[in-house]
Amino acid sequence: QVQLQQSGPELVKPGASVRISCKASGYTFTSYYIHWVKQRPGQGLEWIGWIYPGNVNTKYNEKFKGKATLTADKSSSTAYMQLSSLTSEDSAVYFCASGGKGPFAYWGQGTLVTVSA
Amino acid sequence: DIQMTQSPSSLSASLGERVSLTCRASQDIGSSLNWLQQEPDGTIKRLIYATSSLDSGVPKRFSGSRSGSDYSLTISSLESEDFVDYYCLQYASSPLTFGAGTKLELK
Repeated sequence: QVQLQQSGPELVKPGASVRISCKASGYTFTSYYIHWVKQRPGQGLEWIGWIYPGNVNTKYNEKFKGKATLTADKSSSTAYMQLSSLTSEDSAVYFCASGGKGPFAYWGQGTLVTVSA
Repeated sequence: DIQMTQSPSSLSASLGERVSLTCRASQDIGSSLNWLQQEPDGTIKRLIYATSSLDSGVPKRFSGSRSGSDYSLTISSLESEDFVDYYCLQYASSPLTFGAGTKLELK
């Protein structure tokens, strides 16, 4: 079955960077877009961008350009998102999601990033 | 950006009741709309894709429809596990955008 397994929670200092991962299994990693989504505590969902592992093309929400960098490693079927210059506004749960029939068919469990000194 | 106006933001309902949630798109999105369900532990699951296609394993009491720029998720007879949060998502145009969510509460 399709699974997206995300890395564990992160506690990072303001100004630092963090990289979170999303390991895919149960499908052909290079065939579907992987999207990343942000959810601040008690808030709604916000789309960050996508990466297509087949050709590593990316597309970002303008709001997250310069903040998020999406990469993918075909050899390990893992997608990554690096967040840079972290502030308290970046404290959130970050989800990866990938497609089957249509986008966002499958979701990771989420990774909590806490930015605190 | 396409705005997805989701209503109501919260809904109090009873077991067995029929309810509908709505998202109104500010621009044409065709059929490019998903409905998502989020559990209290944060787990997110897609229920409906392409406006009205039911995901595998999702109970048939869930259905999706469209009338013009209004997209609806209908639950025909509420069960206890349905009292969670719901979001719509348009993927017709970048940036992809979500509705603000509906919290379904047990009356």
